[in-house]
Amino acid sequence: DAGITQSPRHKVTETGTPVTLRCHQTENHRYMYWYRQDPGHGLRLIHYSYGVKDTDKGEVSDGYSVSRSKTEDFLLTLESATSSQTSVYFCATLERLGLPQHFGDGTRLSIL
Amino acid sequence: DAKTTQPNSMESNEEEPVHLPCNHSTISGTDYIHWYRQLPSQGPEYVIHGLTSNVNNRMASLAIAEDRKSSTLILHRATLRDAAVYYCILGANAGGTSYGKLTFGQGTILTVHP
Repeated sequence: DAGITQSPRHKVTETGTPVTLRCHQTENHRYMYWYRQDPGHGLRLIHYSYGVKDTDKGEVSDGYSVSRSKTEDFLLTLESATSSQTSVYFCATLERLGLPQHFGDGTRLSIL
Repeated sequence: DAKTTQPNSMESNEEEPVHLPCNHSTISGTDYIHWYRQLPSQGPEYVIHGLTSNVNNRMASLAIAEDRKSSTLILHRATLRDAAVYYCILGANAGGTSYGKLTFGQGTILTVHP
């Protein structure tokens, strides 16, 4: 949807390792978001970006960092993964305020 | 942030109308009412949004109470493909400092029976 590609789609890693998830969009949308979704819960916002190199924290940002060096890519990094970060991660984009967000298909991350 | 309250689950039969309620008694005058849905193993997708007047699109209708403290998403003829989690979300439509952020609740799980 809206040309959003999340990679990898699935990843299993060990506690303490660094992990980077990538969100790539082809629509030149200004805003980008990272959410996580845990079983039985709605999505929670981790970080968001309102332009190249402009990012800010969301509701559950502890343990995560992001970077956006170009419009099309928004990277989410877990510096030292913990089991509590096992989740499904969704990226979303927004062309401009007033329009709906578009979501990727998610990345399922398991940290053992 | 203003919050929404939705039933945990609802059931419907195929080809029958479905009315999904949402309460938002603390809504502010500038909050829009957004509905998204999430099909199994997929990311959420936009359904509809509105401010004060009822809204229709190809997917659904949104009926907003006159006092705006509640709204109802209407699926006119449910299909099996409509089985999903439906989220009612309040948010600013443009401007302000929201940066388009969405705050998801737990949503309503809609089951559609053949």
